[in-house]
Amino acid sequence: QVQLVQSGVEVKKPGASVRVSCKASGYTFTTYGISWVRQAPGQGLEWMGWISAYNGNTNYAQKIQGRVTMTTDTSTTTAYMELRSLRSDDTAVYYCARDHPTAPYSIAFEYWGQGSLVSVSS
Amino acid sequence: EIVLTQSPGTLSLSPGERATLSCRASQSVSSSYLAWYQQKPGQAPRLLIYRASNRATGIPDRFSGSGSGTDFTLTISRLEPEDFAVYYCQQYGSSPLTFGGGTKVEIK
Repeated sequence: QVQLVQSGVEVKKPGASVRVSCKASGYTFTTYGISWVRQAPGQGLEWMGWISAYNGNTNYAQKIQGRVTMTTDTSTTTAYMELRSLRSDDTAVYYCARDHPTAPYSIAFEYWGQGSLVSVSS
Repeated sequence: EIVLTQSPGTLSLSPGERATLSCRASQSVSSSYLAWYQQKPGQAPRLLIYRASNRATGIPDRFSGSGSGTDFTLTISRLEPEDFAVYYCQQYGSSPLTFGGGTKVEIK
């Protein structure tokens, strides 16, 4: 069965960086992409960006472009999301979700990770 | 960017009642690439409906989706206790992907 297992809780200070991992199993990793979605406490869902596990192409939301880098490691079937220059409003649960392999649209998110809480506080 | 506006913000209903949730897009959603998700506290979202009207695997038939263009609806025909949750619509037809602000379905 398809599973996306994410890394755990992270507590960071403003200005620091965080890297969240998403380990995929149960399917051929390189035939899909991964999108990242975050949810601030008590708020809605915000799409952050997408990476293709097929060819490494990325597409980032304009709001965080310049602070985010998404990568994949096909040898370990793991996707990573690094967010830099953290601010308090980056405090959120970060989710990975299985997505289309060649573009960040055209399939809905049937499979999600369990979420990773990132807390940013001085 | 396509802005999705969900209404109402909160729906107070009793088990067995019908729930009708609305999602309106600021521009036409390409190929009806509109999905609905259910989210319960502490859980990841769960896909209910894709392509506006197709139920995802394992979703009960009391959930149905309809609409096209800019106006979409999720209907829950008879609310079960486990259906009280927050519901989000999402358009995935163009980048950036966007979500609506959510509708909370609460027990009256």
